[in-house]
Amino acid sequence: EAGVAQSPRYKIIEKRQSVAFWCNPISGHATLYWYQQILGQGPKLLIQFQNNGVVDDSQLPKDRFSAERLKGVDSTLKIQPAKLEDSAVYLCASSFDPGHSTGELFFGEGSRLTVL
Amino acid sequence: AQSVAQPEDQVNVAEGNPLTVKCTYSVSGNPYLFWYVQYPNRGLQFLLKYITGDNLVKGSYGFEAEFNKSQTSFHLKKPSALVSDSALYFCAVRGYNNNDMRFGAGTRLTVKP
Repeated sequence: EAGVAQSPRYKIIEKRQSVAFWCNPISGHATLYWYQQILGQGPKLLIQFQNNGVVDDSQLPKDRFSAERLKGVDSTLKIQPAKLEDSAVYLCASSFDPGHSTGELFFGEGSRLTVL
Repeated sequence: AQSVAQPEDQVNVAEGNPLTVKCTYSVSGNPYLFWYVQYPNRGLQFLLKYITGDNLVKGSYGFEAEFNKSQTSFHLKKPSALVSDSALYFCAVRGYNNNDMRFGAGTRLTVKP
């Protein structure tokens, strides 16, 4: 079974530039998550999709971050314009749980963003 | 909202000795508790979870965790540590009908030969 795929693995940009990250979840997983992991901290949820609908985006800085999952499969997270404090690893995860909270998350290897 | 505390930033043990990585949680209602491990430059890997039933949960790579409702704890344990267990460990919690999985800040485990 293929895992969660993310790209790019690494990205370096200047502040005020834009960047986009892509995620393809495990086949059949309805729920997709984007987490931000700042060095030395645990992952923080940015946005959660159930199929192509947003379940929770309460912690997404909507003035600069956006995400979509148009066909209910892969997803894109965009940052525009980037700030220095956006330097982090962006983790995509998926889970099967059809409306329940008991399922574990399956994570991709992450996209490391450095903003200079 | 639910939360998790991992009181130790770092745990050091000698190979062959038992290890414990501590986790306490706060959640309304019954908790769903998880442990993940993260190796350098990798994503998080699921180790084990507690949903209901037996308080002692067994997971991957010989790890187990004990759910203690009165102490609101879910400590990760292994009877005999390996050098290859050295990694970053995260505890996480979800509440019933709550989709947001909240993670602790992580504990770095170092197992020395």
